[in-house]
This record gives sequence, structure tokens and C-alpha cells, in this order.
Amino acid sequence: QITLKESGPTLVKPTQTLTLTCTFSGFSLSTSGVGVGWIRQPPGKALEWLALIYWNDDKRYSPSLKSRLTITKDTSKNQVVLTMTNMDPVDTATYYCAHRRRDGYNSLGDWGQGTLVTVSS
Amino acid sequence: DIQMTQSPSSLSASVGDRVTITCRASQSIGSYLNWYQQKPGKAPNLLIYAASTLQGGVPSRFGGSGSGTDFTLTISSLQPEDFATYYCQQSFSTPWTFGQGTKVEIK
Repeated sequence: QITLKESGPTLVKPTQTLTLTCTFSGFSLSTSGVGVGWIRQPPGKALEWLALIYWNDDKRYSPSLKSRLTITKDTSKNQVVLTMTNMDPVDTATYYCAHRRRDGYNSLGDWGQGTLVTVSS
Repeated sequence: DIQMTQSPSSLSASVGDRVTITCRASQSIGSYLNWYQQKPGKAPNLLIYAASTLQGGVPSRFGGSGSGTDFTLTISSLQPEDFATYYCQQSFSTPWTFGQGTKVEIK
């Protein structure tokens, strides 16, 4: 059974850096083809894909946020970390991590419960 | 970036109705199209991948079709537990992008 869980601060101040950790079980990020992605959802709005890291450490980012994002993995701890710099109130959202399946079509088959991050002074 | 446009943005339907949601990509994405269902306060749940393949455990009243730029999610007979928001997502190339969502409400 695959599970993922996001953790991190619930409140950050503008200009601060957000660090979120996704801790997962049921798969290994050292297995060929595996990936973990981050997606966010502002309150009442649509889903927005942020970043993805593959088993081979290939990393992909949303072009609009690339300068602010860093995604890393710790295979031994089964964790993926997303950092986002220079936080702004518009970054207030629920942040999800998800497992990119090896189905040949990059579907996100399992998601964490999400963590709401509020940006406010 | 590949833009995904869903329609309608919302709809009202009754239990037992047939519901169709469309998703259009701004360029051809082959069959790299996934559908998710999201209920309030919950994470999205994968319904269909590869445009038409039902995820395990998903009821057979859900169906997907299409390829290239035009895709459809169909619920053959709407059930009370199907009232939710549905999102399409292209996974052909990064940045992966989602449609704006279709909220299915009770009539």
C-alpha cells in the first residue's frame, strides 16, 4: 500500500522560505521509473503542478516558479523536500505531494492528504 | 506550456443522469490524459489514466475517451457519491498542466 504525507509549517511570513517534506511508504525512489511530484491548490481554485523528481534525480519545475523552487530527495529516508523562496500571500494554498506511477502515462496514482500553508504577516 | 481547457466549469445534474465533461488540449498530447475526482477537503483521486483506462477500484459507470487534443469523461448514471469536482491533466510533457475543473452539483 502506497502512502504519502506532507509536513511543514502552516504559516509563513511574506519573503520567507517555505520547506515542505513529503514522507512516503510503499515504494522506493531508487526504483527505475518512479517519481514524486508536488501540486498545490489555492483555496477554491484549481490544481497547479509545481515540480517533479525522478528516481535518477532528474528534476522538472513549473517554468513560472522555477526560480523559486528546489526539489530534492533522500532515498534512505523515503522523503522528498520542496523549498519555495520569497513566499507571498498569493502562495497560500494546500500543497500536495503525489506518486508518479510507472504506468507509461505519468499518472499521479496516490496523493498525500495535503497541507494548508498560509502566507501572512 | 500545454493549456488544458475543460467545459463546462460547472453543471447541475440529477441522480441517474448521464454526464459528459470535455477537456481540450492546446496541442496534441496523444493519450497522455488523466482524470481526477476531488471531493471537498480531500486530495484528488485518480479515476482514469491514458485517456480511457479505468483505475482499479473505480466504478464502471466512469468512462474516458479521446486522443490528440479532445477528450471526454462520461459518467453513465450519476450516483450521489459522484458529486464532486473533476480535473483533467496532461502528462505528455512538463510542465504537467490541469484543467480548471468541472464542479458537478446536485440538481
